[in-house]
Amino acid sequence: AQRVTQPEKLLSVFKGAPVELKCNYSYSGSPELFWYVQYSRQRLQLLLRHISRESIKGFTADLNKGETSFHLKKPFAQEEDSAMYYCALIEYGNKLVFGAGTILRVKS
Amino acid sequence: DVKVTQSSRYLVKRTGEKVFLECVQDMDHENMFWYRQDPGLGLRLIYFSYDVKMKEKGDIPEGYSVSREKKERFSLILESASTNQTSMYLCASSFYFLDRDTEAFFGQGTRLTVV
Repeated sequence: AQRVTQPEKLLSVFKGAPVELKCNYSYSGSPELFWYVQYSRQRLQLLLRHISRESIKGFTADLNKGETSFHLKKPFAQEEDSAMYYCALIEYGNKLVFGAGTILRVKS
Repeated sequence: DVKVTQSSRYLVKRTGEKVFLECVQDMDHENMFWYRQDPGLGLRLIYFSYDVKMKEKGDIPEGYSVSREKKERFSLILESASTNQTSMYLCASSFYFLDRDTEAFFGQGTRLTVV
C-alpha cells in the first residue's frame, strides 16, 4: 500500500503563478514529513521538513493531520523552481519512504 | 560538506551477472539506504541499515541483498542481474532519525543497465 501519494506526475505553471504540489500520507503514528527536490543533473536534496516550519526558497508546507496532507506551496513560481519534487515520510523510526514524485515545470 | 559517494556513475552488466554497487559516506551516519528511481514510480526503498551488520528490508528487496561490514560503507548486491533491474540506484545516509537532525544526504546515483 502506498503510504505517500503524490497524485500529479507533472505540474506545469507560468512564471509568477502560484504553485501547489500535493502530498497525502497514510501513517498511524505521529508523522515526520519532508519535501526533497532534485534539480537537473544535481543530487536529491532536502527542501524542507515539517517540524522546522520554515520557508525555503519561498516554499512552505503545512502538515494537516485531519486531511493527512503535506502540500508544498509557493505564491509566485520562478523558472529556477523547475525540478522533480518528492514528498517523504519516516516510518517506524528509521525507514524513509518517498512518493512517486511530481515534475514541476515553470514556463516563462 | 557531507559526502555520499557511489562507486560508479554508469554500469552495464549482462543478465545473470553478480553486480556490486558500493556507497561510502564520511559523516559517521548510522543510517544508510538504497533506493531505485524509476520514472512514474519515484524512489522505492530496497534495503536500509541502521547500524553495522544490521539490515532491514524495504519495499522491493526481491533480487537484492546488502552488506554493511563498516559504518561508512553500504553495498547493494544483485545476485543475478536481470533486465528488469535496469534503473537508477541512489544511496543515502542520515543520522539515526529519532536522535538528531533527520536530513538524508544522497549520492550522485548509479545508472545500471542490464543487457
